[in-house]
Amino acid sequence: NAGVTQTPKFQVLKTGQSMTLQCAQDMNHNSMYWYRQDPGMGLRLIYYSASEGTTDKGEVPNGYNVSRLNKREFSLRLESAAPSQTSVYFCASSTETPGERHFGDGTRLSIL
Amino acid sequence: AQRVTQPEKLLSVFKGAPVELKCNYSYSGSPELFWYVQYSRQRLQLLLRHISRESIKGFTADLNKGETSFHLKKPFAQEEDSAMYYCALRTGFQKLVFGTGTRLLVSP
Repeated sequence: NAGVTQTPKFQVLKTGQSMTLQCAQDMNHNSMYWYRQDPGMGLRLIYYSASEGTTDKGEVPNGYNVSRLNKREFSLRLESAAPSQTSVYFCASSTETPGERHFGDGTRLSIL
Repeated sequence: AQRVTQPEKLLSVFKGAPVELKCNYSYSGSPELFWYVQYSRQRLQLLLRHISRESIKGFTADLNKGETSFHLKKPFAQEEDSAMYYCALRTGFQKLVFGTGTRLLVSP
């Protein structure tokens, strides 16, 4: 049981390049999330999807777009990468149980 | 403002010593709090939630509304407890605010 799978694990981009981070879950969860983790900042919510076909902004959505392709997949796109988007990105999914998240391994993204 | 504060970036203790990881929150509603843990080379995972009033791996956490705290405690630390610990506050149906985390290092 893979749980939440993120690809790629590492990526280096140049400023202005575009990139899509992929996330898939095999737990039949309705809700999926994208977080970024920066030193001294904890995890901050970028976007979330409460169910297939819906997406909503989190705390720090600027510079990102998301697509909930189907129940399993939730992708995060950087249209024009900026150095401030250098971070570790985590995808997560959840059942209806309040506060419970199942996380992926993360994607370490560096933008030069 | 909705905020979770973990004042210690690093907590270093010896094996067998008591551990208390501090978490304070700011929230105007009825709080629901959680502790997440990330062991080395493992995924971030839920450790415990205050509603369940459970003890997981010897850890407990009591919600103190008067002090707006949800400290994580264990009476006798083990080396395998070394990890990154995050406190989190549920602020809405799909909203979870995380603290900045505390790294616990348990030395032999």
